[in-house]
Amino acid sequence: SQQGEEDPQALSIQEGENATMNCSYKTSINNLQWYRQNSGRGLVHLILIRSNEREKHSGRLRVTLDTSKKSSSLLITASRAADTASYFCATDGAPETSGSRLTFGEGTQLTVNP
Amino acid sequence: NAGVTQTPKFQVLKTGQSMTLQCAQDMNHEYMSWYRQDPGMGLRLIHYSVGAGITDQGEVPNGYNVSRSTTEDFPLRLLSAAPSQTSVYFCASRPNFPGGVSNQPQHFGDGTRLSIL
Repeated sequence: SQQGEEDPQALSIQEGENATMNCSYKTSINNLQWYRQNSGRGLVHLILIRSNEREKHSGRLRVTLDTSKKSSSLLITASRAADTASYFCATDGAPETSGSRLTFGEGTQLTVNP
Repeated sequence: NAGVTQTPKFQVLKTGQSMTLQCAQDMNHEYMSWYRQDPGMGLRLIHYSVGAGITDQGEVPNGYNVSRSTTEDFPLRLLSAAPSQTSVYFCASRPNFPGGVSNQPQHFGDGTRLSIL
C-alpha cells in the first residue's frame, strides 16, 4: 500500500495564483521529498525536507513538514503555465539503514491555465 | 553527463515472452532502483540495489529479476511477460552512504513504456 496520500488528486488554477498540495503519510520518516513529472517524462526532484526540519524554500516553492500530524504541503507561488505537471510526495523511512527506499503517493495533477 | 539512461523507450511484447529493460547511470551512484507506474497508483518499488553484487526486493518484485554486476548498470528482467505487467517502468539512482542516512534525492530516467498483449 502507498505510504503517502496526496490531496487534492487534481487542481486547476489560473496563471499567477498560488497552488497548494498536501501529503499525508503513516509511518516514521527520515525525510520527505517532492517530485514533479511532466507528461511522458521521468520524475524531477524539487525539494527534500528532513524530519527535523519544519519548512524549506526553493525559488517559488515552499514545503512544510509537520511530523506530529504526519503531513507535508507544497506551495507553488505565482504559478505559470509551465508548472502544469503531476506532483508527487515520497517518504524515505528506515533511518538506521542506507538501504532505505522511497514510497510514493499517488500524485496531484496540477493544471495552470494561461 | 547523461544522468540515468533507460532503453528501450517503448516496447510491445506478447504474453510469455521475456525481455530485459536496460538502465545505466554515469554519476557513480551506488544506489539504484526500479519502479513501475500505473494509472492512479503512483510509483511502486520493484527491486533495488545498494551497490554492485547486492540486490533486494521492493514492494512488487514478483515476475521480475535484477542483477548488479557493475556500479553503472542495473537491468530489469521480465521472465515471462503477463498483461498485468503492462506499465511504465522507471529506473532511478542516488548516492549511498553505508552505515548512515542518505538525505539525497533520486535521479530518474525517462522511463520505458511496456505493453504486453
